[in-house]
Order: sequence, then structure tokens, then C-alpha cells
Amino acid sequence: AQKVTQAQTEISVVEKEDVTLDCVYETRDTTYYLFWYKQPPSGELVFLIRRNSFDEQNEISGRYSWNFQKSTSSFNFTITASQVVDSAVYFCALFNTNAGKSTFGDGTTLTVKP
Amino acid sequence: ETGVTQTPRHLVMGMTNKKSLKCEQHLGHNAMYWYKQSAKKPLELMFVYSLEERVENNSVPSRFSPECPNSSHLFLHLHTLQPEDSALYLCASSQDIILAGEQYFGPGTRLTVT
Repeated sequence: AQKVTQAQTEISVVEKEDVTLDCVYETRDTTYYLFWYKQPPSGELVFLIRRNSFDEQNEISGRYSWNFQKSTSSFNFTITASQVVDSAVYFCALFNTNAGKSTFGDGTTLTVKP
Repeated sequence: ETGVTQTPRHLVMGMTNKKSLKCEQHLGHNAMYWYKQSAKKPLELMFVYSLEERVENNSVPSRFSPECPNSSHLFLHLHTLQPEDSALYLCASSQDIILAGEQYFGPGTRLTVT
């Protein structure tokens, strides 16, 4: 069985603050992929990043950065200098390549206030 | 049209009705997915199709019946639904399931069962 836990249900920050969204996962597979998706109020999930289980390099894309630590089974997402447009629900997901099975976390609702 | 499209965007149906949700992807992908997103519940993977063959069925009730006539189209046939089936139904596609290419999501169909 696999599981994804996003312990933070809701986070509220003021514009320009940095914010980190936590994601902890459980799986028995040695080969898997981790994803982050953003779901704005319009409802459509937008892909942000994919990481495979063999690549622990951290990644930065503009104001977004991801910290993958296999030792703690975590794949945290940081937004630097947050903006109002970052307000959305963010989902962390684990993909099992053997069965084509996706498991999503419950999501973290981020509200960025002006 | 580009990306993943879903019709209808909103659907209200009675418990005795039969309706179908349609998904179309214009990305040349080989894998397609149906997800259910209910309030206060994580995203649930319902069905996975790879090259028009079903590869994953997560114990979904038989009142939901998928159909994948070709790699670009995916349907979800609904009959004798229950009020608890009211949810946002999301379709997604990816290049394939083995390499776990990022999934592109459609805008969803908001289903209300009365």
C-alpha cells in the first residue's frame, strides 16, 4: 500500500512571505515518481514538477523549489516571495510505475493575502 | 483545441438517469485516467487506460463504467448513481504509464446527483 500525507490542511501567508508545503510519502516500491500539482479556483490541476525515486537533486524553478529527501520520505515544496496568484490547493502525489497507480495527498490550501 | 477537454462541465442527474462523461485529449498521449474528487477527500484514481486497454481498476462500483474507444477519447458511463457520487470528475492523460510522464488534467465535470 502507498500513502501520501500533507499534514498542513490550510496555510495563510501575507504576500512576499516564503512558505513551505510539506509532503511525506510511504511506499514499498523502490521505483516511483513524486509529483506536485496546483489546483487554482478554476478547478483544473496544473502539473508543477515530477521527480523519480533515483534523483534526489533539489530543483529550483523561478520562485518555486523542491526538496526531495529519500531518507525521510519527504518531498517538500517552497514558494519564495509568495504572490496572491499563488493562492490555490496544492497536491502532492506518488506514482507507482509497476501498476500505473497514483496516490494523492489530501491537499494543502494556500491563501496568500495582499 | 489543445490539452485535455471534458464535457459537460456541469451535470445534474437523478438517481435513475443514465448519462456519460466525455474526455478528449489532443496531446498524442497513450494513457488516460479518470479521477474522482470529493469534498474533504483526497483525489481518488478510478480507472487507468493504456493504449485503450484498462490497466487499473480501484474497486470502483459497477454503476461507473469506463470506455476507451481510442487513445484520444475516454468516456465514463453513469447509471443509477447515488447522492454520494456527487463530486468533481477529472480526466487526465500522460504520454504513457511506464515512464510516468506528467499527467495533464482536464477542467473536470462537476456532477450533482439528486
